[in-house]
Amino acid sequence: GAGVSQSPSNKVTEKGKDVELRCDPISGHTALYWYRQSLGQGLEFLIYFQGNSAPDKSGLPSDRFSAERTGGSVSTLTIQRTQQEDSAVYLCASRQQGVGLGEQYFGPGTRLTVT
Amino acid sequence: AQKVTQAQTEISVVEKEDVTLDCVYETRDTTYYLFWYKQPPSGELVFLIRRNSFDEQNEISGRYSWNFQKSTSSFNFTITASQVVDSAVYFCALSDNAGGTSYGKLTFGQGTILTVHP
Repeated sequence: GAGVSQSPSNKVTEKGKDVELRCDPISGHTALYWYRQSLGQGLEFLIYFQGNSAPDKSGLPSDRFSAERTGGSVSTLTIQRTQQEDSAVYLCASRQQGVGLGEQYFGPGTRLTVT
Repeated sequence: AQKVTQAQTEISVVEKEDVTLDCVYETRDTTYYLFWYKQPPSGELVFLIRRNSFDEQNEISGRYSWNFQKSTSSFNFTITASQVVDSAVYFCALSDNAGGTSYGKLTFGQGTILTVHP
């Protein structure tokens, strides 16, 4: 079946611009996560969505970052007024909720470069 | 707070050598999960193995094996008879309890770059 898809695969933007990154999880997976991978910080958790529950935003680095998940499926991560330190690969993952903890399946990521 | 440490930043081996990747974790949870993920040059994280804190039975799957020891908080991963295609970054990760409304968000180690030379 189809895996997690993300778009765009690459995004170059100027400092101060807003960007939107999209994630399409595996069909039927109710849990969705955003992570960021950067040279200095490694892989960091950003935000988590589970069904209709309030998201866990504890990993968002600043209020310039926000995310939403519409209809329990597609998610969009928005970064406002981008800064050079936002340059990173943004990874989305989904997981099937159930008994025990299933593994997370990751998308190919969006490489964001802020110039 | 949870923490995962992969002390080996880079490992270089020659094909057919065995290689062990070390992972040490810290958590206050009594129930938790441990994972290994592989990130080949293409960039996509690929799931390899999951273990829960109640299952210390070690396992062998093909050329891969895992050694989970709660007493030392370690979850090491071994590749036997390494191949060039094993070259990748390997991440160890820890997750909190999956029961109830817990999130299962992953805390990753810094990764180990494995290079297998022909």
